[in-house]
Amino acid sequence: QKEVEQNSGPLSVPEGAIASLNCTYSDRVSQSFFWYRQYSGKSPELIMSIYSNGDKEDGRFTAQLNKASQYVSLLIRDSQPSDSATYLCAVNIKASTLTFGKGTMLLVSP
Amino acid sequence: DGGITQSPKYLFRKEGQNVTLSCEQNLNHDAMYWYRQDPGQGLRLIYYSQIVNDFQKGDIAEGYSVSREKKESFPLTVTSAQKNPTAFYLCASSNGQGRSNEQFFGPGTRLTVL
Repeated sequence: QKEVEQNSGPLSVPEGAIASLNCTYSDRVSQSFFWYRQYSGKSPELIMSIYSNGDKEDGRFTAQLNKASQYVSLLIRDSQPSDSATYLCAVNIKASTLTFGKGTMLLVSP
Repeated sequence: DGGITQSPKYLFRKEGQNVTLSCEQNLNHDAMYWYRQDPGQGLRLIYYSQIVNDFQKGDIAEGYSVSREKKESFPLTVTSAQKNPTAFYLCASSNGQGRSNEQFFGPGTRLTVL
């Protein structure tokens, strides 16, 4: 069973819409969850971290964590063309390390 | 400016050669990591180090070696034993404290084997 799974996409949304990105993980004891944004040819950039069940909001981004169902999601409100990128989910499965999903490509059309 | 630097940005290697990728950070982070990314793939952990003079193998350590002689530096050597070294190599660091393992990445080195 893959440890961190994401739909590869692409997820296409029109400008101004809400983009919803999902991630599931296999290890129930995972404690830390992260979303990274990676533009083509660039390195990943940390955009959100979440540690407790529920929602965490930061500007247009909201991370949602449900440990019972073992999923974490990222909502992007008022999507902009500049949000077009690959979004990587990362989970602290093994001590002191992160396990990354393969990423979901998001395309926001003007 | 605090951050992580990697050099070179692009590297070309002939088969059979060892090459060393540089990673330096001035964030005063204890932990440093090396990942490899192949097209359309996620990040795979090669090696990591939580303190100076200590490091652990990640999921794909074969054909690679590292050292951690200084807190700020964590160079990666890609040896001739690595069968498919062409990839995007990413270095990251974190303060490694508590449950937070927020990792911050350098700009990466793109290695191509000719």
